[in-house]
Amino acid sequence: EDQVTQSPEALRLQEGESSSLNCSYTVSGLRGLFWYRQDPGKGPEFLFTLYSAGEEKEKERLKATLTKKESFLHITAPKPEDSATYLCAVRPSGGYQKVTFGIGTKLQVIP
Amino acid sequence: DAGVIQSPRHEVTEMGQEVTLRCKPISGHDYLFWYRQTMMRGLELLIYFNNNVPIDDSGMPEDRFSAKMPNASFSTLKIQPSEPRDSAVYFCASTLREGFSLYGYTFGSGTRLTVV
Repeated sequence: EDQVTQSPEALRLQEGESSSLNCSYTVSGLRGLFWYRQDPGKGPEFLFTLYSAGEEKEKERLKATLTKKESFLHITAPKPEDSATYLCAVRPSGGYQKVTFGIGTKLQVIP
Repeated sequence: DAGVIQSPRHEVTEMGQEVTLRCKPISGHDYLFWYRQTMMRGLELLIYFNNNVPIDDSGMPEDRFSAKMPNASFSTLKIQPSEPRDSAVYFCASTLREGFSLYGYTFGSGTRLTVV
């Protein structure tokens, strides 16, 4: 069974204080790893897809990286508007769509 | 496009009643998913459709849950009879047919279901 574990569960940062969120996964062959952002009362919003170890993707203050066992979401000089829950998800190889999500990391950025 | 549209946004019902959640996916998307989100278990896949056909319903908790997709622009998730443990936020999501690249899912705003 595919598993995704995210840490920490919650993170509180001062504005401008860079940090990283971790996503550890076990999957029977990785087709892709996803990062989503979820604001309170809303559905998750897609951020990135990573496909293979060594790959990196960037969007504004966010950079996602991937190894064979985990992914990191690096947040550089965060702003209060970056406050949200960040979800990691994995899609196994094979001809079917079955994505497993982690519980998420709740990030709070304080001005 | 208005995105994935779910209704109602909130539903409060009494135990034993039938509940129907509705979803309109993004036009042109081939896949539709129903997820349930709770604090303890996070997002759990209940069922997904490809071109209106149910592909995997192994996540449906029990026979009280059923889902249909009569056409490409509409899907329902029904719970009958509802129980307090069904209280959660239910999300519908859709995505394009994948090619070399994987497309992320577009989620609706969810239906918050409370069964009392």
